[in-house]
Formats: sequence, C-alpha cells, structure tokens
Amino acid sequence: EAGVAQSPRYKIIEKRQSVAFWCNPISGHATLYWYQQILGQGPKLLIQFQNNGVVDDSQLPKDRFSAERLKGVDSTLKIQPAKLEDSAVYLCASSQGTIGTGELFFGEGSRLTVL
Amino acid sequence: AQSVTQLDSHVSVSEGTPVLLRCNYSSSYSPSLFWYVQHPNKGLQLLLKYTSAATLVKGINGFEAEFKKSETSFHLTKPSAHMSDAAEYFCVVTEGSNTGKLIFGQGTTLQVKP
Repeated sequence: EAGVAQSPRYKIIEKRQSVAFWCNPISGHATLYWYQQILGQGPKLLIQFQNNGVVDDSQLPKDRFSAERLKGVDSTLKIQPAKLEDSAVYLCASSQGTIGTGELFFGEGSRLTVL
Repeated sequence: AQSVTQLDSHVSVSEGTPVLLRCNYSSSYSPSLFWYVQHPNKGLQLLLKYTSAATLVKGINGFEAEFKKSETSFHLTKPSAHMSDAAEYFCVVTEGSNTGKLIFGQGTTLQVKP
C-alpha cells in the first residue's frame, strides 16, 4: 500500500517569497491534515480536511497561509509571503475515518528554510 | 484544554537495557493517548494507542505503555533497547471529540549506545 506522498522534500526561499507544498494521501482516506513541526518542538495542526471540507483551521495563520483539497483527494498548502519563523517541516497526514481514530499516517514531510 | 508533558527531552540507554520515556497528560475528557515515533528523515509512525480499554497497551517493536489515571501518566517502556530504537518519541493526546486533532508533546530523543 502506497503511503502519504509529499513534495518537494526540501525548499529554500527568501523571506516575502511564496511557496507551495503538495500532498497525496493514502487512497481512500477521507481525512487529511497539515501539521507544522518547528525544530525542537512537536508537530502542531494547521488544518484538517474531511473530504474537501475544512474541519479545523483554528491554528492556520490565514493572513499568509492557505490550503485547499480539491476533489477530496490531493491537497496543497501555500505560504505567501513567507516569514523567517515559517522555517519548519510541513507534515501531511491522512486517516481512514471521517472523524478519525487518532491513527494518522504521516508523509516524510517538506522541509522549508526561509532566509 | 488537553496537553501532554514529556518529562525528559533526551534519554540515553545502553543496548539491551530497559527503556523508560515519561509522559504526563492533562485532559478535561477521558483522554485518548498515543505514542508516535519519528526516525530521522522518516514520517511519524504510530507505536501504540490507549482508548479507554485495557490500561496496559502493547505496541509495535516490543513497546508498552500503561495508562495511570491517578497519576495522569502514560509512560512508554521497553524491556530491552535495540540500536534501531534510536529515534524521537512523541506522547500525544487528542483534543476532545476530534480524535484527528493530535496534541503533541515536545518529544524525547532516545539514544541507544552499543
């Protein structure tokens, strides 16, 4: 069974530039998540989709971050304009249930460095 | 609000000796608790989960955790460490009824010495 795919794995940009990350969840998984993991910290949920609807985006900095999940499958996370503090690993995860059981399947992450 | 505190940021053990990674939680609800492991440059993987069934939970690779409500703890143990256990370990609680929203601890780095 194919896992959660993310790209790019690494990205370096200057502050105020924009960046986009892509995620393809495990086939058939209804729920998709984007987590932000800053160095030395545990991951923090940015946004949770159920199919193509948003369940929770309370911790998404909406002035600069946006995410979409068209057709309830793939998802993109965009940052525009980037700030230095956005340097982190962006983790995509998916789960089978519509609400979730706590068992999430994570991708390997996209590491962003903002200079 | 739900939260977890991992009491050690770094644990070092010798191969073949027991592992203990400590976690305390705070929750207004009957919590669902998890341990996730993250190997370098790999995705997070679920080790085990507690969801109000048996208090002693067995996970993959010989790991166990015991839910102790009186102590609000969910410590992770393994009788004998293996070199391949070296990784970052996260104690996790879910937020209320949204069992997809994971609240992660700060993480514990496990070093295994030969």
